[in-house]
Amino acid sequence: AQKITQTQPGMFVQEKEAVTLDCTYDTSDPSYGLFWYKQPSSGEMIFLIYQGSYDQQNATEGRYSLNFQKARKSANLVISASQLGDSAMYFCAMRERNTNAGKSTFGDGTTLTVKP
Amino acid sequence: KAGVTQTPRYLIKTRGQQVTLSCSPISGHRSVSWYQQTPGQGLQFLFEYFSETQRNKGNFPGRFSGRQFSNSRSEMNVSTLELGDSALYLCASSLRVQGTENTEAFFGQGTRLTVV
Repeated sequence: AQKITQTQPGMFVQEKEAVTLDCTYDTSDPSYGLFWYKQPSSGEMIFLIYQGSYDQQNATEGRYSLNFQKARKSANLVISASQLGDSAMYFCAMRERNTNAGKSTFGDGTTLTVKP
Repeated sequence: KAGVTQTPRYLIKTRGQQVTLSCSPISGHRSVSWYQQTPGQGLQFLFEYFSETQRNKGNFPGRFSGRQFSNSRSEMNVSTLELGDSALYLCASSLRVQGTENTEAFFGQGTRLTVV
């Protein structure tokens, strides 16, 4: 079974609007971390935001926030006030504490295009 | 603080040859992971090294190998190259292996390998 599922291959958003990128995950490990990365066309994976499985509050980092719904096993990324430079591929990833230490499992990614 | 450095950035090799890719982690990071990214398979975990020891390995054939040096720099080797090995190879560094569910991985820009 896929551990990380990103159901939106591509998304479009108007500049200055907010957009939500979906991510659901599957794990039996009680302790895990969820990460979002941005990959522009240059190839580098840029870390955006982290959410721990025991965190009570949703993570926020500037224009990025993570809508964490543990019971539904979802960790959606919300980008507010989209900018043209936000156009890129976005990956949701998970690290589990007790299994596969050090390994990040990635979703297939969502290509975000910001329209002017 | 310098980021993760991967060399070379681009590489073209012929089927049957071997190749060595290099990764220098962020100063102070002792964990180095390698990932293969292809359009068809997405991001696949290859292996992880910590303190010169391979701690975790993905589902790749033995042609893929790696090592880590005492300064935490890591190399990845692929022998007897096949056309399907054409991919973007990404290296990521983290502070530690144990309890890494809450530790983000910082990625390099990758090495784009083309096998002809």
